[in-house]
Amino acid sequence: DAGVTQSPTHLIKTRGQHVTLRCSPISGHKSVSWYQQVLGQGPQFIFQYYEKEERGRGNFPDRFSARQFPNYSSELNVNALLLGDSALYLCASSLDQRNQPQHFGDGTRLSIL
Amino acid sequence: QQQVKQSPQSLIVQKGGIPIINCAYENTAFDYFPWYQQFPGKGPALLIAIRPDVSEKKEGRFTISFNKSAKQFSLHIMDSQPGDSATYFCAASRNAGNNRKLIWGLGTSLAVNP
Repeated sequence: DAGVTQSPTHLIKTRGQHVTLRCSPISGHKSVSWYQQVLGQGPQFIFQYYEKEERGRGNFPDRFSARQFPNYSSELNVNALLLGDSALYLCASSLDQRNQPQHFGDGTRLSIL
Repeated sequence: QQQVKQSPQSLIVQKGGIPIINCAYENTAFDYFPWYQQFPGKGPALLIAIRPDVSEKKEGRFTISFNKSAKQFSLHIMDSQPGDSATYFCAASRNAGNNRKLIWGLGTSLAVNP
């Protein structure tokens, strides 16, 4: 069975641009969570979605938004990119919004120039 | 404020050694404690997890020890191999009613020398 898949794997943007990252969860998983991992640190929680609704939000500015589609895939959008947004963006899926464990994809490496 | 404190930051052991990574938490509402392994360029992979009603859990060469009263838990890797060289993260989560989010430690970079 396929694991969590994320696209693209790498992305280079300039300050002020916007970006859309995509995630497909494990088949049968209905919850998707997004995390930001800055080099040398642990992941930081951004969002959790379940049944197309936002169920949790971390301490990130409104430039960050996300949505979940009827097939449970998800998009993370970041507007007005800053240099500090350079990070590995990880998507995790789980059966539902309260279930563990969460299984992670390999992430999208976003570099801001 | 770091809700999950992980130590050491880095660790070097010889093949066959038993590296031990420690984590401490503050929030007594946490009820799920996973350990993840991450290789460069890859996402975190779940190794083993424990709930606070259990003091120890083993899966293969990996063991979690959990001390609820001290609010500490640790990962032991038996008979470590060079292929275990990676960054290890502890994490914790609680049922927030409508969601669960993982709170992570800062990671431990493990090197196992041949």
